[in-house]
Amino acid sequence: QITLKESGPTLVKPTQTLTLTCTFSGFSLRSTGVGVGWIRQPPGKALEWLALIYWDDDKRYSPSLKSRLTVTKDTSKNQVVLTLTNVDTVDTATYYCAHKNQLTAPDGMDVWGQGTTVAVSS
Amino acid sequence: QSALTQPPSASGSPGQSVTISCSGTSSDIGGYNFVSWYQQHPGKAPKLMIYEVSKRPSGVPDRFSGSKSGNTASLTVSGLQAEDEADYYCNSYADSNNLGVFGGGTKLTVL
Repeated sequence: QITLKESGPTLVKPTQTLTLTCTFSGFSLRSTGVGVGWIRQPPGKALEWLALIYWDDDKRYSPSLKSRLTVTKDTSKNQVVLTLTNVDTVDTATYYCAHKNQLTAPDGMDVWGQGTTVAVSS
Repeated sequence: QSALTQPPSASGSPGQSVTISCSGTSSDIGGYNFVSWYQQHPGKAPKLMIYEVSKRPSGVPDRFSGSKSGNTASLTVSGLQAEDEADYYCNSYADSNNLGVFGGGTKLTVL
């Protein structure tokens, strides 16, 4: 059974760096075709892609946020870490991590974490 | 502003069918057969309902179906049930970012 869980601060001040960790089980990020993505959702608004990292360390970023985002993986710990620098109030959102397997569902994130809510406020 | 356009709301009575549209361009929906749909109940994480335009993951009822024509994708929910009331988001691969673009979401109400 695949599970993912996001963790990190619930409150961040403007200009600070937000670091979120996705801890997963039930799959390996060493397996061909596997990826973990990050998606966020501001309150009452739509889903927004942030980043995606694959088993081979291929990394994809949202063009509008690319300069502020970094995604890394630690396969030994079964974790994926997302950092977002210089946060602003518009970064207030629920942040989700999700699993992807290119071999079974090339375009679908088939298992999601419960999400973690982050508020940016001074 | 979302890259894909969805109607903000849709509704239907129990047992009826409802179709939700998702409009894009030739650089996303029209160019690739990589359209997925997600269902999200209030306060919950999204759930994958459709991938590759029309394929259903294991466990998703066959009342949910997807299709595409040109630059527009559609999700049809047949035999509406109360538990289908949720927000639905489309997503498509986009050659502008190698990541994907979501629609603005459609709130489906079961009357």
